[in-house]
Amino acid sequence: GESVGLHLPTLSVQEGDNSIINCAYSNSASDYFIWYKQESGKGPQFIIDIRSNMDKRQGQRVTVLLNKTVKHLSLQIAATQPGDSAVYFCAENGFRGTYKYIFGTGTRLKVLA
Amino acid sequence: GAVVSQHPSWVICKSGTSVKIECRSLDFQATTMFWYRQFPKQSLMLMATSNEGSKATYEQGVEKDKFLINHASLTLSTLTVTSAHPEDSSFYICSATREGSTDTQYFGPGTRLTVL
Repeated sequence: GESVGLHLPTLSVQEGDNSIINCAYSNSASDYFIWYKQESGKGPQFIIDIRSNMDKRQGQRVTVLLNKTVKHLSLQIAATQPGDSAVYFCAENGFRGTYKYIFGTGTRLKVLA
Repeated sequence: GAVVSQHPSWVICKSGTSVKIECRSLDFQATTMFWYRQFPKQSLMLMATSNEGSKATYEQGVEKDKFLINHASLTLSTLTVTSAHPEDSSFYICSATREGSTDTQYFGPGTRLTVL
């Protein structure tokens, strides 16, 4: 069930602009979704999560939107900073009865100075 | 809270040798630990799920005799790559879930394994 991509799509954003990273998730029965940030050579870092009984959740400079109708998840980063440059993965708890995740293929965010 | 560490952060070994990687939850007891490997520019691939005191559950295609997992305590899991070969070179990452928040996986910093 893990998703493996051959290459990462890249989103280039000007510093100070807002970023929107999208993810199409796999399992309509998934009820928990997470966004992770992974910098080069490091492990994934938890950013924000959302449960299926919500359609929006806000954190510090980040917002996650969930559209269950079309199985779409997005991460919005406000006032993007150079330190936001990383690969962003979405994950869903798509394996019922287990704690395993299905990971998205990832999106590389490049912040242009 | 929810800090996960890995040791070593990188290791270089000769082909045919075995390498052990440790994963520790530093400030919580981990109900479940997961081991992943990640190739460059790719997503994380789950290798196995590990619970303290029981045998690990391996994903399809992962050789359990090659990737030995031991979960001796609620804060420590180890992955041993036996008879390593160059194709085993990869970035190995563990994650852990904790009681009361079993949906959320907290990841370690990863271990870069290079087999010569």
